[in-house]
Amino acid sequence: QLQLQESGPGLVKPSETLSLTCTVSGGSISSSSYYWGWIRQPPGKGLEWIGSIYYSGSTYYNPSLKSRVTISVDTSKNQFSLKLSSVTAADTAVYYCARFRLELLVFDPWGQGTLVTVSS
Amino acid sequence: DIQMTQSPSSVSASVGDRVTITCRASQGISSWLAWYQQKPGKAPKLLIYAASSLQSGVPSRFSGSGSGTDFTLTISSLQPEDFATYYCQQANSFPPAFGGGTKVEIK
Repeated sequence: QLQLQESGPGLVKPSETLSLTCTVSGGSISSSSYYWGWIRQPPGKGLEWIGSIYYSGSTYYNPSLKSRVTISVDTSKNQFSLKLSSVTAADTAVYYCARFRLELLVFDPWGQGTLVTVSS
Repeated sequence: DIQMTQSPSSVSASVGDRVTITCRASQGISSWLAWYQQKPGKAPKLLIYAASSLQSGVPSRFSGSGSGTDFTLTISSLQPEDFATYYCQQANSFPPAFGGGTKVEIK
């Protein structure tokens, strides 16, 4: 079945850029039916959608983060990636990647998540 | 942007109890609402989409209802594996937004 796995540094310094990659297995990221998304969850708090991308490169971003976010896709590696610039402690969170069904605007399935801490 | 408000923020219940969680949207979203279950240290799992459609593999004790601005998630007979945090998510328009969560705890 489809699986997603996040990878990247667990510690990022303030003002630097957070970079994560999501590797998709058990299915093609180039499927015409789906987008792919990033969601984050600060420790002990709720969920926040960051953005989503289609295999063609078309993107949607959360307006609250848009100025700092770049999501890209590499179909040859069946991966998509997140870059979040100028991070602060408020960006400390578990970052999840997920498949995004555009016609329903729902996320399923999700990766296991990776904790990124912003600290000097 | 559409804001989602869940209530209660936590509920204590016993195995076998009927549990109802409410989600309210700041503006009408028709039936474009999803529910997720999250267990500690795990990723959220989609339970219900389009307000009342059960995701494949989800037990039938879970049900959703509502339209417009007011929605409910009901667990008809709480099982030990159902103790978790539940989130609603509006799926009507960008940006998709989640409620603050409802933690279902053991009484």
